[in-house]
Amino acid sequence: GENVEQHPSTLSVQEGDSAVIKCTYSDSASNYFPWYKQELGKRPQLIIDIRSNVGEKKDQRIAVTLNKTAKHFSLHITETQPEDSAVYFCAASRGGSTLGRLYFGRGTQLTVWP
Amino acid sequence: KAGVTQTPRYLIKTRGQQVTLSCSPISGHRSVSWYQQTPGQGLQFLFEYFSETQRNKGNFPGRFSGRQFSNSRSEMNVSTLELGDSALYLCASSRLKGDTGELFFGEGSRLTVL
Repeated sequence: GENVEQHPSTLSVQEGDSAVIKCTYSDSASNYFPWYKQELGKRPQLIIDIRSNVGEKKDQRIAVTLNKTAKHFSLHITETQPEDSAVYFCAASRGGSTLGRLYFGRGTQLTVWP
Repeated sequence: KAGVTQTPRYLIKTRGQQVTLSCSPISGHRSVSWYQQTPGQGLQFLFEYFSETQRNKGNFPGRFSGRQFSNSRSEMNVSTLELGDSALYLCASSRLKGDTGELFFGEGSRLTVL
C-alpha cells in the first residue's frame, strides 16, 4: 500500500517568516494530495489540495507544489501568523472511488511565535 | 448546514469489552470514512462506506467492523477491546461529486481502554 513520509515533525518559526513542510509518497498511482490542518482539540480541516496534473497551486498565503517524478509534494506558508499554529497533515490518494481513503503523513506541529 | 456529528464524544471501557461509535454525516453526503488517530501513528484509515457498502478497508484486524444505514449514518464497532485501541476515532463524510475529494471530519470519539 501507499506510504507517506512527512518532515519535519515539529517546526517553529517567527511570525512573518515562511514555513515549509515536505512529504514523500511511494505509490505512483496516487494522484490526489490534500493538506489538512488540525488545531488543538479540533477536527482536521482541508486547507488546500492538488491533483497530479498540476504542479503548483496557491491560495493566498498557502501554496502546494508537486513533483510527480520524485514523488514528493510540499506545503509553503508565507507571512506566518500565530493563528497558523497547528498540526498539519499531508495525505495521498488514488482518487476516484478511493477518495475516501487517504494515506496520511504523521503530521507536523507548527508553532508560530509572535 | 449541520456538520458531521459523532457520538459519544468520550468513553471509557475495559479490556475485553466492545464499543459502538456512531457517525451522522453531512446531509447529502453518501461516503463515510473512519480513521483512528493516535499520537504515535497519526491518522490511519479504517474503512469507508458508500451507499451502505464497504468500499475500502484499511489494515486493521477483524475486531474492527462497521456498517452504513440507508440514511448514510454509520456505526463502527470494536470488539474484544485492547489497551492499544485507545485513540481518537474520527469519522469523515464526503459528497465525492466529480473531482471534489474534501473530507469533512467530525470532532471524534475519544476512547480510553483500561
